[in-house]
Amino acid sequence: DIQMTQSPSSLSASVGDRVTITCRASQSISNYLNWYQQKPGKAPKLLIYGASSLQSGVPPRFSGSGSGTDFTLTMSSLQPEDFATYYCQQSYTTPRTFGQGTKVEVK
Amino acid sequence: QVQLQESGPGLVKPSQTLSLTCTVSGGSISSSFYWSWIRQPAGKGLEWIGRIYTSGITKYSPSLKSRVTISVDMSRNQFSLHLSSVTAADTAVYYCARDSSSSIDYWGQGTLVTVSS
Repeated sequence: DIQMTQSPSSLSASVGDRVTITCRASQSISNYLNWYQQKPGKAPKLLIYGASSLQSGVPPRFSGSGSGTDFTLTMSSLQPEDFATYYCQQSYTTPRTFGQGTKVEVK
Repeated sequence: QVQLQESGPGLVKPSQTLSLTCTVSGGSISSSFYWSWIRQPAGKGLEWIGRIYTSGITKYSPSLKSRVTISVDMSRNQFSLHLSSVTAADTAVYYCARDSSSSIDYWGQGTLVTVSS
C-alpha cells in the first residue's frame, strides 16, 4: 500500500492567515493526489484533484501543488468557514489511501 | 446532480454481518465510474474499504479483503457492502461514494454503524 503522511497533524491559525499543509507519499504517485475538507458530522468534500485542479465551486483561495511524492495544499487567506480537517488521498492505485488528516483550528 | 444515500441497520452484533446499501440518484450506476465504500471510526481518519465497477469487477482493501463483499444492483441503481464477522473495531461511520478514477467526487452523508451486543 502507498502510505500518505500529512504534516502538521493540527495547526492554529487566524482569519486572513495563509495556511499550508503538506502531504508526502511513500512512493511516486505522479499527480494523482486529491485534497478533501471535512467538517464535523459531514462527509468529506473534494477541493483539489490531480494535485492542482480546483473542483467546481471551490473558492480560488484554495490551491494545490506538487508531483511525485511531495504535495501542498495552500489556503491564501483563511476564512471562518475554512476551519475544518483536511485530508490528502492518492488515486494512483488501489487500495486508495488517505493521509491521517490535518485539523485547522482557531488561534 | 448525483446524490448517494446509505441505508441499513445502525446496530450489529459481534460476529454477525454488517450490510449496507447505497442508493444512487441523479445519475445511472451503470455509467463509467467506480462505486466505493469508505469508513471513519469516531475521531479518526478515513479508511478505504473497496469499490466495484459497473462490470462487477471489485477491488478491496487488503486488510479487509477476507471479510468484504461489494455488489451492484443496476436495476435498482444501488450497490451494497457486506462485512462479515464484525467486531467492535468495525464501529464507524460508513460512507458510500463515487470514484471517478481521478478522485472521489460524490459522497453520501454517511451512516453510523455500531457493533455491540
